[in-house]
Amino acid sequence: AQTVTQSQPEMSVQEAETVTLSCTYDTSESDYYLFWYKQPPSRQMILVIRQEAYKQQNATENRFSVNFQKAAKSFSLKISDSQLGDAAMYFCAYRSAFWGSQGNLIFGKGTKLSVKP
Amino acid sequence: DAGVIQSPRHEVTEMGQEVTLRCKPISGHNSLFWYRQTMMRGLELLIYFNNNVPIDDSGMPEDRFSAKMPNASFSTLKIQPSEPRDSAVYFCASSPTRAGYTFGSGTRLTVV
Repeated sequence: AQTVTQSQPEMSVQEAETVTLSCTYDTSESDYYLFWYKQPPSRQMILVIRQEAYKQQNATENRFSVNFQKAAKSFSLKISDSQLGDAAMYFCAYRSAFWGSQGNLIFGKGTKLSVKP
Repeated sequence: DAGVIQSPRHEVTEMGQEVTLRCKPISGHNSLFWYRQTMMRGLELLIYFNNNVPIDDSGMPEDRFSAKMPNASFSTLKIQPSEPRDSAVYFCASSPTRAGYTFGSGTRLTVV
């Protein structure tokens, strides 16, 4: 069974600085998707960024980028120029690309990010 | 597109009462998921539908929980009878493919 581990329950960053959230996962599959979701206090789950395992290029979305290390099974999220609105819980998630699999997202426990003005 | 719509947003009920949570997925999405979020256990998959058919309900805690998807535009999650330990945020999500996933705003359930 696949597992996702986020080793940092809480992180803090100064406004305008850069922060990196860690995520590791365990799987025997070679094809899968990885996601970072943001959950602000409103509790809405917002997709931040998505990475396809067969693509070597790291995904980027404006100030958000990932460092995907497939061999190490690592998928960290870098937030540049942090803003107050980035304060939230961040969840790393895994989804199999195998058509015979269940297709659900497997989540880590989350990292609570605080942004200091 | 209005996104995935869940109702109610908040629900407070007394122990032993029946609770029904509702979800309208995005039109054209053929997969629907119900998740439960608690502080202790994080986000857990309860049940997954594909083309309105339940594929895996192994995450449903016990027989008090049931879920239906009578058509492509509507799903319900029912708890009968409810217990205080069922208090959580319940999310519905829909997906057209294995890569896409859209969550609703969730229902915060409190059982007193």
